[in-house]
Amino acid sequence: AQKVTQAQTEISVVEKEDVTLDCVYETRDTTYYLFWYKQPPSGELVFLIRRNSFDEQNEISGRYSWNFQKSTSSFNFTITASQVVDSAVYFCALSEATTNQFYFGTGTSLTVIP
Amino acid sequence: DGGITQSPKYLFRKEGQNVTLSCEQNLNHDAMYWYRQDPGQGLRLIYYSQIVNDFQKGDIAEGYSVSREKKESFPLTVTSAQKNPTAFYLCASSPYAGLAGVRYEQYFGPGTRLTVT
Repeated sequence: AQKVTQAQTEISVVEKEDVTLDCVYETRDTTYYLFWYKQPPSGELVFLIRRNSFDEQNEISGRYSWNFQKSTSSFNFTITASQVVDSAVYFCALSEATTNQFYFGTGTSLTVIP
Repeated sequence: DGGITQSPKYLFRKEGQNVTLSCEQNLNHDAMYWYRQDPGQGLRLIYYSQIVNDFQKGDIAEGYSVSREKKESFPLTVTSAQKNPTAFYLCASSPYAGLAGVRYEQYFGPGTRLTVT
């Protein structure tokens, strides 16, 4: 079974629109870590955020914000006032304290249309 | 500058040949990872290593081999036994705090796109 599900394969928005990328995870561990990465067309993954399972505070960083809800096992990512430079594939990932692996979702390809 | 280097960026090989992909990091990270990325399938773990001279198989290790003789280096060999080797390969590293320790973010290299014909 997929440990990390990103149901949105592709999303297109017009510049300046807000967009939310969904991430649902599955784990039995009480201690785990969630991550978001951005993969621009160049291919290299860029780290955006890490959140541990004991910290449910939402976080805002500029135009980016993350909503972590343990009750629904979700860690959604919102881009406010999207820009063309936000066009990329975004990956959500999970790492459990009991394993040494990272589990990635299949990614959401975001296209921001000027 | 600290970071991860992968070379070459593009690699072409004939079917039946082994090929080794390079991954070097100067971040002083203990853990290193190899992933394969195919369209629509996200990242799949091939091998990972938390310490020199030790490594573990990931989900799709068949047809691949690795070595970890130095902390900075984690080369991946794609053998002729790998049935579908054409893919984008990504190397990553991270600090490692032990089995029950904090999980830190991974830092990724620029990737190597391998084409086998």
